[in-house]
Amino acid sequence: EVQLLESGGGLVQPGGSLRLSCAASGFTFSAYAMSWVRQAPGKGLEWISAISGGGPTYYVDSVKGRFTISRDNSKNTLSLQMNRLRAEDTALYYCAKSMDYYESGSLDNWGQGTLVTVSS
Amino acid sequence: QSVLTQPPSASGTPGQRVTISCSGSSSNIGSNFVYWYQQVPGTAPKLLIYRNDQRPSGVPDRFSGSKSGTSASLAISGLRSEDEADYYCAAWDDSLSGPVFGGGTKLTVL
Repeated sequence: EVQLLESGGGLVQPGGSLRLSCAASGFTFSAYAMSWVRQAPGKGLEWISAISGGGPTYYVDSVKGRFTISRDNSKNTLSLQMNRLRAEDTALYYCAKSMDYYESGSLDNWGQGTLVTVSS
Repeated sequence: QSVLTQPPSASGTPGQRVTISCSGSSSNIGSNFVYWYQQVPGTAPKLLIYRNDQRPSGVPDRFSGSKSGTSASLAISGLRSEDEADYYCAAWDDSLSGPVFGGGTKLTVL
């Protein structure tokens, strides 16, 4: 059974940093792209970053230069380093697994999410 | 404003057939697969349809997807109360070199 367990969320001041982690199990981690998707309170889904099984990455414009996605295939872990956080980054952050090696839009398994709140 | 356009709301009565549209462009729907997700309030999204019209195991055949040109649709037949949820379409966008979601459609079962 595929399991994705996010951690690292919390309350942070504007301009601060957080590092989210996602522990994956139940599948061959290195064979699939992984993504971070966020959902602001009461809003829709936003795909913010993806990383293929071997490393090529994608970032939505609003987080480019501030967020860094990475993966450790030896530890089955996905991470998201978030710097220079803004109030508009407040959201529930989901870790999700793709159906494919390269991301194509296909997220077949999702974690339960970790909440990030950016506020002074 | 989302790259993929969905109606904000849809509704139907139990047993009815409802369709939700997703409109895009040649750089996304027109040249790539479409995916549909269901999100019941308070829970994580769930993949409902992949590669335009394929259902993951466990998804009832009441759910079906289709694509034509730069638009796609999700159809739900035999509507049930547990279908009340938010539905999102998604696709890879060649211009953005990344995946995008539609804005979501809130389905109400009357």
